[in-house]
Amino acid sequence: EPEVTQTPSHQVTQMGQEVILRCVPISNHLYFYWYRQILGQKVEFLVSFYNNEISEKSEIFDDQFSVERPDGSNFTLKIRSTKLEDSAMYFCASSEFRSYEQYFGPGTRLTVT
Amino acid sequence: RKEVEQDPGPFNVPEGATVAFNCTYSNSASQSFFWYRQDCRKEPKLLMSVYSSGNEDGRFTAQLNRASQYISLLIRDSKLSDSATYLCVVRLLGSGGSNYKLTFGKGTLLTVNP
Repeated sequence: EPEVTQTPSHQVTQMGQEVILRCVPISNHLYFYWYRQILGQKVEFLVSFYNNEISEKSEIFDDQFSVERPDGSNFTLKIRSTKLEDSAMYFCASSEFRSYEQYFGPGTRLTVT
Repeated sequence: RKEVEQDPGPFNVPEGATVAFNCTYSNSASQSFFWYRQDCRKEPKLLMSVYSSGNEDGRFTAQLNRASQYISLLIRDSKLSDSATYLCVVRLLGSGGSNYKLTFGKGTLLTVNP
């Protein structure tokens, strides 16, 4: 069964450093998403991406965040200058079409020290 | 009012019990509805979509009441493996008419005991 994959599974970084989180969506899916979940809190939407551009973003997704599809398979989330409050689980998701179910990857746990 | 609100839980039930989860949503323009389950420190996994007429998948039954903005999930004959956090998820109409993002409730923790 096809699945979304994410790397790394855990990333530790110092405050102010840049991090790139990587995702490989399900191969025939066209819509890609990033969500985050701070420990003990609910899953929150960050951004959606279709046809090589951002289609929607939340207020969390400020200028420190960017997304890219550098090739035909990878989808990345970059945080330019990490803050302590960026520590969270970051989930990538994909869907075949925008109204279809979204399938989540196993997540990257980001720890900012 | 929270966008998606669920029973706070936690629920502790014996194996074989029937357990019901309730959820309300605030935006009447919400378009799609789902139940996901999340095991501890894992990703949300789609359990089932929820359709207007209600739908069933084995031991799981989901209901939607658009007039009351209410969604439910019923688990019959619960198993130890059903222990997880159950997430009520709504696709809201986004800004500019887009409808990409999912909005999650905080979840209800279920523990099924032997």
